[in-house]
Amino acid sequence: AQSVTQLDSHVSVSEGTPVLLRCNYSSSYSPSLFWYVQHPNKGLQLLLKYTSAATLVKGINGFEAEFKKSETSFHLTKPSAHMSDAAEYFCVVSSSNTGKLIFGQGTTLQVKP
Amino acid sequence: DAGVIQSPRHEVTEMGQEVTLRCKPISGHNSLFWYRQTMMRGLELLIYFNNNVPIDDSGMPEDRFSAKMPNASFSTLKIQPSEPRDSAVYFCASSRRGASETQYFGPGTRLLVL
Repeated sequence: AQSVTQLDSHVSVSEGTPVLLRCNYSSSYSPSLFWYVQHPNKGLQLLLKYTSAATLVKGINGFEAEFKKSETSFHLTKPSAHMSDAAEYFCVVSSSNTGKLIFGQGTTLQVKP
Repeated sequence: DAGVIQSPRHEVTEMGQEVTLRCKPISGHNSLFWYRQTMMRGLELLIYFNNNVPIDDSGMPEDRFSAKMPNASFSTLKIQPSEPRDSAVYFCASSRRGASETQYFGPGTRLLVL
């Protein structure tokens, strides 16, 4: 069965410093992996998606994630945080047999001025 | 494109009342999903439809919950009777084809059952 674990429930960074949000997955098959972002009182927005084409995936707003099969990780990074990046981030794996999305518990990113 | 549209955005009701949540998916999308988000359980898939047909409703909590998709542009999620533990944010999402395709989420309906 597929599962996803977000290693930090809360991450705090200063504006202009790098962001690292960690995600580990468990999957019997080659997974599809996603990062979604949810701003307060808003719906979820896709940041990026991995589907085995390239291990380094670039998303919107300067975010990127690297798929590392040996480490079963899919960490989200951004070189320089902006105040508008403050939000909840979800790492998601797609079940290969049902295709359903399985969400991590989320990481709250706080960006301090 | 207007994106996924949900109504109402907020709903406050009393325990025992019927609640109906509505969703209009993105035009041309063949798959529609209903999710529930709570602090305790995070995001949970309740049910999803392909071409208006329910494919997987294993996430529906109990018989008080029902969902329909009478046509490609409209779906409802009904709770009858509602209970305080149903209080949550309910999201609708759609994708072009299938659950593993990129899903586009609506703004959600915030439900409070008193």
